[in-house]
Amino acid sequence: NAGVTQTPKFQVLKTGQSMTLQCAQDMNHEYMSWYRQDPGMGLRLIHYSVGAGITDQGEVPNGYNVSRSTTEDFPLRLLSAAPSQTSVYFCASSSPGQGATGELFFGEGSRLTVL
Amino acid sequence: AQKITQTQPGMFVQEKEAVTLDCTYDTSDPSYGLFWYKQPSSGEMIFLIYQGSYDQQNATEGRYSLNFQKARKSANLVISASQLGDSAMYFCAMSHLGGFKTIFGAGTRLFVKA
Repeated sequence: NAGVTQTPKFQVLKTGQSMTLQCAQDMNHEYMSWYRQDPGMGLRLIHYSVGAGITDQGEVPNGYNVSRSTTEDFPLRLLSAAPSQTSVYFCASSSPGQGATGELFFGEGSRLTVL
Repeated sequence: AQKITQTQPGMFVQEKEAVTLDCTYDTSDPSYGLFWYKQPSSGEMIFLIYQGSYDQQNATEGRYSLNFQKARKSANLVISASQLGDSAMYFCAMSHLGGFKTIFGAGTRLFVKA
């Protein structure tokens, strides 16, 4: 079982460059989300999706775009990278709903450095 | 707005002793879920335990138990008989019931001493 797959695992960008972090899950989970992890701040929710075609903002959405065209994929786009976006990014999925705990299944993380 | 607070940046515990990691939360939603996750130095996120806001009994999973005090809005994690492998970062998290919009606390780094 692949679970949640994130690519790339490491990326270095220059300020102003754009890139897309890919996230795919093979568990048929309806719910997918992106977090960034910074020292001392835990994981902060960037964007989330409750199903194909439906996305919404989390706690720190500025500078990031998402789309959800399929149940499996939930890419995160940085249109113009800034040094403040240097972080470790996690994609997560879950199968919420009545009777479900909604525990998150995480990818391995993507370490992004913006110079 | 929902909020999770973990006030212990770091904790030390002797091997084989029990340790409690504190977590308080704030929400106006009557239906919510509380979670604890572990992040070892390797970086992966590992789900440990879950408590629903309507659950009457405290959740337990092996050596992990969640001390849920609803009136005080606290959801402390108790690890019994600590092991060296328990050394890690621990995150408390909360979601709307069913798992939507999970938010996390800042985390507590646990060090287990031999």
